[in-house]
Parts: sequence; C-alpha cells; structure tokens
Amino acid sequence: DARVTQTPRDKVTEMGQEVTMRCQPILGHNTVFWYRQTMKQGLELLAYFRNRAPLDDSGMPKDRFSAEMPDATLATLKIQPSEPRDSAVYFCASGGTSGTEQFFGPGTRLTVL
Amino acid sequence: GESVGLHLPTLSVQEGDNSIINCAYSNSASDYFIWYKQESGKGPQFIIDIRSNMDKRQGQRVTVLLNKTVKHLSLQIAATQPGDSAVYFCAVLTSGGYNKLIFGAGTRLAVHP
Repeated sequence: DARVTQTPRDKVTEMGQEVTMRCQPILGHNTVFWYRQTMKQGLELLAYFRNRAPLDDSGMPKDRFSAEMPDATLATLKIQPSEPRDSAVYFCASGGTSGTEQFFGPGTRLTVL
Repeated sequence: GESVGLHLPTLSVQEGDNSIINCAYSNSASDYFIWYKQESGKGPQFIIDIRSNMDKRQGQRVTVLLNKTVKHLSLQIAATQPGDSAVYFCAVLTSGGYNKLIFGAGTRLAVHP
C-alpha cells in the first residue's frame, strides 16, 4: 500500500531551535509539495518540487525556511530559527507530473514554545 | 489571484440524509477542481475531481456538480454515514506555467445518529 510518510509526527521545540521535517514521497512520484495548515490560514502551499527541482517556494518565509530534495526518496523542510508563529501541521504531498492528484502524508504537528 | 471560498464552515446532518457542501471560486479560467476529505489527525484524502468540460461527475455515494456560469462547485454525499464526518475542502488548479492547487477554507461535516 503506497503512501507518503512523514517524520516526526509530532515535534515540540523551543523558540530559536532548528526544526527539520522529513518526507518520503510515493515511489515513482516526481512532484512533491509542502503545505502548512493552521486554523487561521487553512492549507497554504509552501513549496513545490518537480523532479527534485524547486518550481515554486513563494509561499515560504525565505529568511528562516528552506526546502530541499537531496534525492528522489527524501524531501526536507527546515526552519531555522523556529518561532511560535510557525506552530502548525506541516503536510507533504506527492503526485505525478501533472501535479493534479496529490497524495498527502499524515503530517508533522509542530509546536514552538 | 485565485481564491476559493466555502459557503458554510459547519454542516450538521442526520445519518442517512444527503449532504451538500458548496464552494465558490474566483477565476473563470480554472479548469480542474478537486474535493478532499480530511479526518481528524490525518492528511487530506482525494475524493473526486472534475474538469471544466463537465458539469457533473459521480463516484461511489458522491457527486460533484460544477456550474461555471456562477463559478460554483458542490459535493453531494448520498446516505451520509458517521464515517463521513470530516472536514471537506475544495481545491482549484491554477494555471500558468505549472500546476498548483489552491484550497478553500474547509467545511466541517458532522453526522448525527
């Protein structure tokens, strides 16, 4: 049963600490998306990769967030330094070339104290 | 830019009744629409999609209706069951260079016995 996996599932950290979230897309998918979900803003697209190349990261605060795909089986989202306003659930999704049907992972719930 | 809105934040229905969840979009050039279901503690899950060359598409107990004239999308769930309790999102595919989904705010469906 192919699915997107994300680690960690929950992360509590203190303001100023570095946070790294990892995602393993479904094997064979060549598009990867990072979303952030909050009650206030809903689901926001942070970054979008196709064939490991970033196509769009305009939704990401550039000064503290970075997203990479070191290889086809791993996508990372890093926050350094973290702030309380970064507290949210972060989802990774993967899909085929069209980017239309996206399969979401279970999310990482981040709490920054 | 594209924006997606929902008519009701919460919908309560009796088990066995039909549910209708509505969504409005702003860009008349949008040509692909998706409904997602998100259960508590999980990532959004694809339910059904529709392209702009159609006005209706049916799945198992779900029907999506598209009215391009008024830029309105609806999801109908027949014989609603307790397992249908979740937040439902409509998403619209943006155009221009690469595909990106814009998600609506979500409607919480509560099914009562």
